[in-house]
Amino acid sequence: KAGVTQTPRYLIKTRGQQVTLSCSPISGHRSVSWYQQTPGQGLQFLFEYFSETQRNKGNFPGRFSGRQFSNSRSEMNVSTLELGDSALYLCASSFLDRDSPLHFGNGTRLTVT
Amino acid sequence: GIQVEQSPPDLILQEGANSTLRCNFSDSVNNLQWFHQNPWGQLINLFYIPSGTKQNGRLSATTVATERYSLLYISSSQTTDSGVYFCAPHMDSNYQLIWGAGTKLIIKP
Repeated sequence: KAGVTQTPRYLIKTRGQQVTLSCSPISGHRSVSWYQQTPGQGLQFLFEYFSETQRNKGNFPGRFSGRQFSNSRSEMNVSTLELGDSALYLCASSFLDRDSPLHFGNGTRLTVT
Repeated sequence: GIQVEQSPPDLILQEGANSTLRCNFSDSVNNLQWFHQNPWGQLINLFYIPSGTKQNGRLSATTVATERYSLLYISSSQTTDSGVYFCAPHMDSNYQLIWGAGTKLIIKP
C-alpha cells in the first residue's frame, strides 16, 4: 500500500506570493490533517478534513486554508506569504479520525524569502 | 490547561545502550501515539497505544492511563534510532491530538 504522498518536497517563494501544497492520503483513509513544524514551535495543528468537510481548525490566520476532494486528496493554500511561514508542512492521514493511527507524508519544506 | 510533557528533552547514548522516554499528560486519554522523526524530517508512527504494553522489535511502549503517563523503551540502540521522539495523546478534553515537545535522541557509534 502506498504511503501518504506530499508534493512538492521543496518550495521557495517570495513574500507576498501564495502557495498550494498537495497531499494524497493512504488509500482508504478518509481523514487528512495538516501540521506546521518550525524549530521553535514544534508541531502545530492547522486543520483536519474528513469526507470533504473541515472538522477542526487550529489557531492560524485566515491566510491558511485547505480543502479536500471526493477522492480524499487534500490541498492547503497559504496566501500573502510571510517570512514566518517558512516551515515544514506535514500532512497526515488516518482511517477515520484522531482515534485511528496517524500516518505522515514526508512533508513539504517551504522557504519564504 | 491541557499539558503534555516529555522527558528527558535530550538524550545522548552510545550504540547498544537502552533508554526509556517518558510522556506525562494532564487528562484522561482515548488513545496515545508515539512517533519517531528522523533527521530528514520523516515522521513514523511507532505505536498506537491507548493502554497496556506493545512491542515491536527492539521498541516497546507502555501506557498507564490511570496514572496519566506513557513510556517508550528502546533497547540495544542503533545509530538509526537517532532523531526526535514525540508522544501525542488524544485526551477527552480536547478534540485534537496534543503533541509533546519531543525527546531528541542522539546515538553515537
